[in-house]
Amino acid sequence: RKEVEQDPGPFNVPEGATVAFNCTYSNSASQSFFWYRQDCRKEPKLLMSVYSSGNEDGRFTAQLNRASQYISLLIRDSKLSDSATYLCVVNVGTGGFKTIFGAGTRLFVKA
Amino acid sequence: NAGVTQTPKFRILKIGQSMTLQCAQDMNHNYMYWYRQDPGMGLKLIYYSVGAGITDKGEVPNGYNVSRSTTEDFPLRLELAAPSQTSVYFCASTDRGLPQETQYFGPGTRLLVL
Repeated sequence: RKEVEQDPGPFNVPEGATVAFNCTYSNSASQSFFWYRQDCRKEPKLLMSVYSSGNEDGRFTAQLNRASQYISLLIRDSKLSDSATYLCVVNVGTGGFKTIFGAGTRLFVKA
Repeated sequence: NAGVTQTPKFRILKIGQSMTLQCAQDMNHNYMYWYRQDPGMGLKLIYYSVGAGITDKGEVPNGYNVSRSTTEDFPLRLELAAPSQTSVYFCASTDRGLPQETQYFGPGTRLLVL
């Protein structure tokens, strides 16, 4: 079982749609959680950190469920510019931690 | 600030050749990382450094070497290129290496070994 698992997609949605990405992690010592965005042939860039209380940044909402070891990202009112791959990233451990990247979920938003 | 820069952007190597992938950051970050990204896979950590003069192995270090003589530069060396090293290589940095910190990535180097 992969340490961080994501639905590979691709997700094909029309502009204006709401889309949800799921991510599960296997290590209960995981302590920091992130969503990164990666455009085609580009480097990953931080989209948002994920907090236990849930957090929102404009059209993007991230949720964390520690009991279920599950992270989600919701994108409302999708734009063409949202087309990218979304990486779920987890830091495991405290003193010496390890960063685990999910393989990513690809999103295509169409006009 | 340029952030994290990498050269070259793309390179084709023959089996057995060697090369150095360059990485530099101008954010005065202490921690630097090298990752490889294969199609359909998550990024894998090759080597990392917690400061000048200190380096350590990551998850997939075989076939690679690194050095960190300055805070700014963290080159990755491939000594005997193999087809299995065909990948996209990303360098990244963080300020203090804390788990809640953002990683800043360079634009990547695409390497093809034939």
